[in-house]
Amino acid sequence: GAGVSQTPSNKVTEKGKYVELRCDPISGHTALYWYRQSLGQGPEFLIYFQGTGAADDSGLPNDRFFAVRPEGSVSTLKIQRTERGDSAVYLCASSSGGEQFFGPGTRLTVL
Amino acid sequence: KNQVEQSPQSLIILEGKNCTLQCNYTVSPFSNLRWYKQDTGRGPVSLTIMTFSENTKSNGRYTATLDADTKQSSLHITASQLSDSASYICVRYNQGGKLIFGQGTELSVKP
Repeated sequence: GAGVSQTPSNKVTEKGKYVELRCDPISGHTALYWYRQSLGQGPEFLIYFQGTGAADDSGLPNDRFFAVRPEGSVSTLKIQRTERGDSAVYLCASSSGGEQFFGPGTRLTVL
Repeated sequence: KNQVEQSPQSLIILEGKNCTLQCNYTVSPFSNLRWYKQDTGRGPVSLTIMTFSENTKSNGRYTATLDADTKQSSLHITASQLSDSASYICVRYNQGGKLIFGQGTELSVKP
């Protein structure tokens, strides 16, 4: 596609539920990044993939968060047992080694 | 303390006026420093990129400066337009591709 796409654009869930957020990077981009942006704050790094492998997952806040990129293209961020504090915009970015191009984000609301 | 701090937190100006946004970073050296524009509900878009050795970089009505001695950067917007209303985020770019974001300055341009 022409840019990074993320689905869904909005997700409302209840505390304790499981959610999956999807990122489709720019075709051919080998690097993929996930960030979390709370209201009024800049994005915070979560995890970085180079190809299929997670090169750096130091930003994942705890073991309820997990991400995969099985074929080196689409990535899924998975959150188990969601908490109200997980409410944020989850941004995905991809790059071919230089500038990162961001998707529009998924706004997650945990009630 | 954040590695990248921005001021002011928010700013309101009249259309046609100029403004300057500030960014202080605490850790160097780094790969490069960038300014991003983030419209409401969208992902950040890169405006300027400066390497450690550069002092100034322009992109149309946007001019970024970098002082490596004082660890400060600024973004100057000339002849502001209504479409400039957005969040402007200063981003430190590490060699590993990991981005460190400031919290952003929320700019509102009024007619």
